[in-house]
Amino acid sequence: QVQLVQSGAEMKKPGASVKVSCKTSYYTFTSYGLSWVRQAPGQGLEWMGWISAYNGDTNYAQKFQGRVTMTTDTSTDTVYMELRSLRSDDTAVYFCARDRAKFCSSPSCSEGFDYWGQGTLVTVSS
Amino acid sequence: ESVLTQSPATLSLSPGERATLSCRASQSVNTYLAWYQQKPGQAPRLLIYAASNRAAGIPARFSGSGSGTDFTLTISSLEPEDFALYYCQQRSNWPPITFGQGTRLEIK
Repeated sequence: QVQLVQSGAEMKKPGASVKVSCKTSYYTFTSYGLSWVRQAPGQGLEWMGWISAYNGDTNYAQKFQGRVTMTTDTSTDTVYMELRSLRSDDTAVYFCARDRAKFCSSPSCSEGFDYWGQGTLVTVSS
Repeated sequence: ESVLTQSPATLSLSPGERATLSCRASQSVNTYLAWYQQKPGQAPRLLIYAASNRAAGIPARFSGSGSGTDFTLTISSLEPEDFALYYCQQRSNWPPITFGQGTRLEIK
């Protein structure tokens, strides 16, 4: 059964950076893209960006451009999301989510996200 | 950016009843629309992709329809475990991929 297992909760001060990992297993890592989606407390879902596990190509939401970096490690089938210059409104649960469709070269073919990590709570507070 | 507006915000129904949830896009998304269910403390679960295709393992009581700007998620006969939050999501007009604000389906 496909699994996406994320790193644990983080508490950060404003201005700091956080790096969340998403370790995948039981599927061919390089065949699928992955997105990061966040959810502030009591709020809806917000897409942050996408990365190809095949070649590392990325597409970020404009809102996060310059502050977010998504990377992959094909030796461990792990995806990372680093968010810098944290603010209090970055407090949220961060999810990684796998494309349902194989071999996507961009998020435009993703056909939804069929497997999700369990979520990582990032709290930003002074 | 495509804005997705879901209605109603809250839907109160009883088990066994039919639920109809709406998602309207600010511009056409063709059929590039998905639906998710989310329960408290859990990640979303993909229900429907490409507007009308059930994802793997999703019961037949869930169905999706629509194209262009107007979409519907129908649950034919509510089970107790169906009471949750539901989100629509589009990937036609990106970036960014966008989600609706959600419909809360609660027990009447």
